[in-house]
Amino acid sequence: DTGVSQDPRHKITKRGQNVTFRCDPISEHNRLYWYRQTLGQGPEFLTYFQNEAQLEKSRLLSDRFSAERPKGSFSTLEIQRTEQGDSAMYLCASSSPRTGGSTDTQYFGPGTRLTVL
Amino acid sequence: AQTVTQSQPEMSVQEAETVTLSCTYDTSENNYYLFWYKQPPSRQMILVIRQEAYKQQNATENRFSVNFQKAAKSFSLKISDSQLGDTAMYFCAFMIDTNAGKSTFGDGTTLTVKP
Repeated sequence: DTGVSQDPRHKITKRGQNVTFRCDPISEHNRLYWYRQTLGQGPEFLTYFQNEAQLEKSRLLSDRFSAERPKGSFSTLEIQRTEQGDSAMYLCASSSPRTGGSTDTQYFGPGTRLTVL
Repeated sequence: AQTVTQSQPEMSVQEAETVTLSCTYDTSENNYYLFWYKQPPSRQMILVIRQEAYKQQNATENRFSVNFQKAAKSFSLKISDSQLGDTAMYFCAFMIDTNAGKSTFGDGTTLTVKP
């Protein structure tokens, strides 16, 4: 396993369009996180899953945002009716090996950079 | 709510020298974890070092070590024998415990190692 992967790496869209990002975590990890990072700032938590259950959502996650992890493996983050303020790097991370090991260390993917024109 | 503050937006150090990055946090929790992550330019974030709050001993990973002062809520990162590859954005992060899941990050310190 080569780590957390995200697709696409870059996305340019026009305001009002819908976009969907995908995250593939490290295969043995049962926790998956989404963060948003704007230029010059640290990542901000959006939501996280344990297996297929979405356990927490940030207030940052407006009703235009939805995340799923239907089979407890990969996850998707959809943004509907994008706004210019949605422009950011969207980071995915995973943790908690099912077979033991450190449960707290999060391993990050390369991110998807979204630009809304 | 937890907050993490990194008061040094930018720092620079000469190659082979030692540099210390500062981080303070605010929480009412007693059990938590602290992390330093490195984010090189246009590359993904990787874990540098982690510290469990219940451990008295400061964590060390090769050239990287922390000074964890629980009472002062301070968690600084010391990089010894700085290398050009250490040039990156460094983020301090806080997690209440493994069941809480999410991490709270500071706004980062951009470190430049000069030859």
